[in-house]
Amino acid sequence: GAGVSQSPSNKVTEKGKDVELRCDPISGHTALYWYRQRLGQGLEFLIYFQGNSAPDKSGLPSDRFSAERTGESVSTLTIQRTQQEDSAVYLCASSLRGYGYTFGSGTRLTVV
Amino acid sequence: ELKVEQNPLFLSMQEGKNYTIYCDYSTTSDRLYWYRQDPGKSLESLFVLLSNGAVKQEGRLMASLDTKARLSTLHITAAVHDLSATYFCAVDSDLQGAQKLVFGQGTRLTINP
Repeated sequence: GAGVSQSPSNKVTEKGKDVELRCDPISGHTALYWYRQRLGQGLEFLIYFQGNSAPDKSGLPSDRFSAERTGESVSTLTIQRTQQEDSAVYLCASSLRGYGYTFGSGTRLTVV
Repeated sequence: ELKVEQNPLFLSMQEGKNYTIYCDYSTTSDRLYWYRQDPGKSLESLFVLLSNGAVKQEGRLMASLDTKARLSTLHITAAVHDLSATYFCAVDSDLQGAQKLVFGQGTRLTINP
């Protein structure tokens, strides 16, 4: 596609429920990233996929967070047993190594 | 671990004035990026700086990179209200083959008429 597509754009969930966020990267981009942005804060790295290499999960805040990516296509970020502190905008980006990063519009997650 | 620090974090200025946002980073890097973010929106790429001494300009914004000092600046000339936004710098950390974009905290810029 022309850009990075994320869905849903907004998600309200009850505390304790699981949520899945989806990212559709630019076709041909080998790298895919997930970031979290809390209200009024900077971007916090979560996880990075590069081709078929093992993902860099060093930014995941707890074992309630996981992400999958099949090949160089869609990625899903799953948050289990959501907590109020998980409320944030989750941004996905993709890149072709050395050619910059393109960000999606994000998913705004609200845990009530 | 790569750290990226911006200052100031908040900046309120009047239209017509000039100002500079600073971005320091802690290790060598291949590339430095500047992004703009409007409230409730995603990140818009402004500049990519690839080498020491690189300078790029777009309208009233000019970005520069000094890799020896590990410093980038974003200079605003004769500010206008439309430039009000949050500006982020980010550094490409290519350590051990793992490429990752590390962000500064952001500078929230408010330009008053």
